[in-house]
Amino acid sequence: NAGVTQTPKFQVLKTGQSMTLQCAQDMNHNSMYWYRQDPGMGLRLIYYSASEGTTDKGEVPNGYNVSRLNKREFSLRLESAAPSQTSVYFCASSERQAVEKLFFGSGTQLSVL
Amino acid sequence: SQQGEEDPQALSIQEGENATMNCSYKTSINNLQWYRQNSGRGLVHLILIRSNEREKHSGRLRVTLDTSKKSSSLLITASRAADTASYFCATMGWDTGNQFYFGTGTSLTVIP
Repeated sequence: NAGVTQTPKFQVLKTGQSMTLQCAQDMNHNSMYWYRQDPGMGLRLIYYSASEGTTDKGEVPNGYNVSRLNKREFSLRLESAAPSQTSVYFCASSERQAVEKLFFGSGTQLSVL
Repeated sequence: SQQGEEDPQALSIQEGENATMNCSYKTSINNLQWYRQNSGRGLVHLILIRSNEREKHSGRLRVTLDTSKKSSSLLITASRAADTASYFCATMGWDTGNQFYFGTGTSLTVIP
């Protein structure tokens, strides 16, 4: 029972490099989310997908893009990484948007040098 | 920012004592949830309380909600060393675009 799986767990990038964070859930959930967690800031929503085929911006979308590849997978792309994007990234899913509890992956720790 | 704030930021207690942490938020909500995060791990859902509820229990957890004061509290009774973690409140409401907004967290240490 994997739940929400994120890859990679750790990543170091140089400024300007690009990368994609992968997320997959096996709970047949409709909604998926990407959050970043910074010290003293709690979790902030980057992008979300209420259902397959839709994506919307959250609180801090600048510098990121997302793709809802299918119902299971939701990826987050950094096109040109900046030191300000050093953070821990969490993917989450829920059965439906806006009502249900969130299930989180174990996170990706990203450092941009 | 629409984030809530937890209080205190850090709390250290002896095993067996009760731990109380508070959450204040800014907007009208449909529900409020509490999550636990162990070091280096993702968040785990603990309990959900709806805006028309005032108190809810789940095992050793007791959550209260006061919508007039825009605040909630989480009480963990008879704490255990395994309760050591960070605790976050998350609010969701029509004013927040039906998205969850998380507070800044309370770091709880339970000393054996």
